[in-house]
Amino acid sequence: NAGVMQNPRHLVRRRGQEARLRCSPMKGHSHVYWYRQLPEEGLKFMVYLQKENIIDESGMPKERFSAEFPKEGPSILRIQQVVRGDSAAYFCASSSTGYQPQHFGDGTRLSIL
Amino acid sequence: LAKTTQPISMDSYEGQEVNITCSHNNIATNDYITWYQQFPSQGPRFIIQGYKTKVTNEVASLFIPADRKSSTLSLPRVSLSDTAVYYCLVGEQGSQGNLIFGKGTKLSVKP
Repeated sequence: NAGVMQNPRHLVRRRGQEARLRCSPMKGHSHVYWYRQLPEEGLKFMVYLQKENIIDESGMPKERFSAEFPKEGPSILRIQQVVRGDSAAYFCASSSTGYQPQHFGDGTRLSIL
Repeated sequence: LAKTTQPISMDSYEGQEVNITCSHNNIATNDYITWYQQFPSQGPRFIIQGYKTKVTNEVASLFIPADRKSSTLSLPRVSLSDTAVYYCLVGEQGSQGNLIFGKGTKLSVKP
């Protein structure tokens, strides 16, 4: 999974705090995707962004979750007022176009105390 | 997006060929078949993608019959390091972001 960088790898937050997850896509990739994975489950799509634009956010919870991919810098997945149910592994993927296979990072494991 | 069905788990021994079959009865004309591999604590890794007949790369082969309602991922001469979860996905090439992962097939390779 070299290329797509996610940080932090592990993040611990208390209920009510904010969590910020960062994703730097592979060089030359302008399409970024976020997924969430619960233990023993497959990945669930959350949001698809292309430089400064949200293309598809059909998998994003309506409240507390937001994502951005600014012109400069990494993509950010932001979770406000975290709850225990937000505990999961969050994966970011990138591709050069919307029609090429996605390359995944190694994820951020979010734990809520 | 077409739903896929694959075995929950499979066991194999080192050096054997492993074939994992995926059913996708409702595959659409524009859909491609893509396989990913995931190791514990890592993100999925793209293995292979195909539309029809046979595709081969340095890692695996993908066999797709004429009706495209199923596909088989073939891993030649597996090693212990091939122990992982394998996901079969069906959708338009790249699927514009919305990849749908099922629970995958957990392959265990034994010495």
